[in-house]
Amino acid sequence: NAGVTQTPKFQVLKTGQSMTLQCAQDMNHEYMSWYRQDPGMGLRLIHYSVGAGITDQGEVPNGYNVSRSTTEDFPLRLLSAAPSQTSVYFCASHRQNYGYTFGSGTRLTVV
Amino acid sequence: AQSVSQHNHHVILSEAASLELGCNYSYGGTVNLFWYVQYPGQHLQLLLKYFSGDPLVKGIKGFEAEFIKSKFSFNLRKPSVQWSDTAEYFCAVTQGNRDDKIIFGKGTRLHILP
Repeated sequence: NAGVTQTPKFQVLKTGQSMTLQCAQDMNHEYMSWYRQDPGMGLRLIHYSVGAGITDQGEVPNGYNVSRSTTEDFPLRLLSAAPSQTSVYFCASHRQNYGYTFGSGTRLTVV
Repeated sequence: AQSVSQHNHHVILSEAASLELGCNYSYGGTVNLFWYVQYPGQHLQLLLKYFSGDPLVKGIKGFEAEFIKSKFSFNLRKPSVQWSDTAEYFCAVTQGNRDDKIIFGKGTRLHILP
């Protein structure tokens, strides 16, 4: 049982490049979400999904897109990377009224 | 909008000292409350959670938290900390009837001196 799997673990991008952070869960959780973690800021919600085909914006959605075509996968797309998007990104999944399970994170640097 | 406040940004204790980390939330309705721990270089792990029932919740590794509804608080405690408790601790809340979004506090960095 892998839980929540994120790839890649590390990534360096040049300003303006695009990329997709992958997230997959094998627990059949209906809810999935993406967070960014910055020093002194805690975790801030980027986008979330309450089921396949349904997504919504969180606290800091600008510059990111998501889609949820299957229950298992919830990729996060950076459309045109900016230095302000340098951060650690965490994907999470959960079932209603259960605690969240987090992936191991992706450390992204935009130069 | 909901928010979560963690009063201490950085706490330094000696081994065997008692720990209490403060957490307050701003939401008047039913809430679900969580404490997560992040060890250096790792992802977040659930320490304990409160949904309903006994307001004193026991979690893993000897941690406990008490939900005080009148104070909108959910403080984390441990009677005797260990060096291995060095980590960052996050309090979090979801609305009781819709936990599609979890809101985190900014975290408390705990450093235990051996």
